[in-house]
Amino acid sequence: LAKTTQPISMDSYEGQEVNITCSHNNIATNDYITWYQQFPSQGPRFIIQGYKTKVTNEVASLFIPADRKSSTLSLPRVSLSDTAVYYCLVGDWNNNDMRFGAGTRLTVKP
Amino acid sequence: GAVVSQHPSWVICKSGTSVKIECRSLDFQATTMFWYRQFPKQSLMLMATSNEGSKATYEQGVEKDKFLINHASLTLSTLTVTSAHPEDSSFYICSAPEPTGRYGYTFGSGTRLTVV
Repeated sequence: LAKTTQPISMDSYEGQEVNITCSHNNIATNDYITWYQQFPSQGPRFIIQGYKTKVTNEVASLFIPADRKSSTLSLPRVSLSDTAVYYCLVGDWNNNDMRFGAGTRLTVKP
Repeated sequence: GAVVSQHPSWVICKSGTSVKIECRSLDFQATTMFWYRQFPKQSLMLMATSNEGSKATYEQGVEKDKFLINHASLTLSTLTVTSAHPEDSSFYICSAPEPTGRYGYTFGSGTRLTVV
């Protein structure tokens, strides 16, 4: 299982773009990278998933370099409601191994 | 999309009693479900993997006789905290693989357990 490392916390202001990077040096060939968002007293919510290069959906983009040893979640124009903890998970769906790292606590200020 | 329903949302129980938490996949079948616990300001800690029709796999340090997991059908997994103590007070969350594989894992809304 690829261990992940993220910054413990980040601060931003409304309207800014936020980039959260996750390191996963021992990612395996079959591993995907998935990001989740969690608000207090709620279950995590899927944000985005990717395998390589760039993935974009309606809420975020995920950038994965060629060596796949890291990934960057990009949140465009954050708002106060984006204040949450963001988790990066790396794993192979077939192994069903879902362990969370420490996550990044993002605080968006007015 | 795939929805995992978790009940109850919160429960308060007395020390020594047992509490059951249910996790249902509403519009898909889940042969595997995961159970986590989360203490304030901490990350989710995987407790066990629930497998339909077979015994659950517990993580190291998790007492299987205290946290009973039953996955009797493809849409229901239950976690029973037996002989609860105040230190078992926590936020418990279940999840299941989203069936298409394109949207990660789907999580329940969590259960806040308070043992008094």
